[in-house]
Amino acid sequence: DTGVSQDPRHKITKRGQNVTFRCDPISEHNRLYWYRQTLGQGPEFLTYFQNEAQLEKSRLLSDRFSAERPKGSFSTLEIQRTEQGDSAMYLCASAGGPIYTGELFFGEGSRLTVL
Amino acid sequence: QKEVEQNSGPLSVPEGAIASLNCTYSDRGSQSFFWYRQYSGKSPELIMFIYSNGDKEDGRFTAQLNKASQYVSLLIRDSQPSDSATYLCAAYAGNNRKLIWGLGTSLAVNP
Repeated sequence: DTGVSQDPRHKITKRGQNVTFRCDPISEHNRLYWYRQTLGQGPEFLTYFQNEAQLEKSRLLSDRFSAERPKGSFSTLEIQRTEQGDSAMYLCASAGGPIYTGELFFGEGSRLTVL
Repeated sequence: QKEVEQNSGPLSVPEGAIASLNCTYSDRGSQSFFWYRQYSGKSPELIMFIYSNGDKEDGRFTAQLNKASQYVSLLIRDSQPSDSATYLCAAYAGNNRKLIWGLGTSLAVNP
């Protein structure tokens, strides 16, 4: 399968614990996005990488959230000291090509439940 | 605040009918528009994109764009129960700016 893959698909954790999600984009895609989605809402932008550079991070994102893409391939999203309000689906998407047209390819998502 | 607005629904149509989903956007600089389908508990899946005024057809799906009215629509002909999902509209303004997403319209196709 050459699509976007995310791991784990589901994570249940207790409040205050740290969690990390991994995303492997489509191999030739240089752009990688993280979104968060809760029920009845559209995807909420979290952050964006072009190759290994993090070019934009949502101002809504607290300092408890950090993302990396160390070699311009896979990316990780870490949430420290989780809170119940962090419960959501975390979506990774990638895009490629010389000119970005807005089209995104999503992974299956990582669903987080904070107890 | 740049926005994309959709009726949340639910929109209910009988099997075989035409489902019409609508979207308006506020940023006149938006260049391309996307319709994503999202099944419950799954991630969004691109089904259509359009960047020129007029209609674009792909199988049972037709996207319509009217830039003067800042309006995008998606028509689904011969609706099937498998089309039951949430349909998300998104707008892209170019220059590497973020997609602006609507909240989605829930569609139910009744057998």
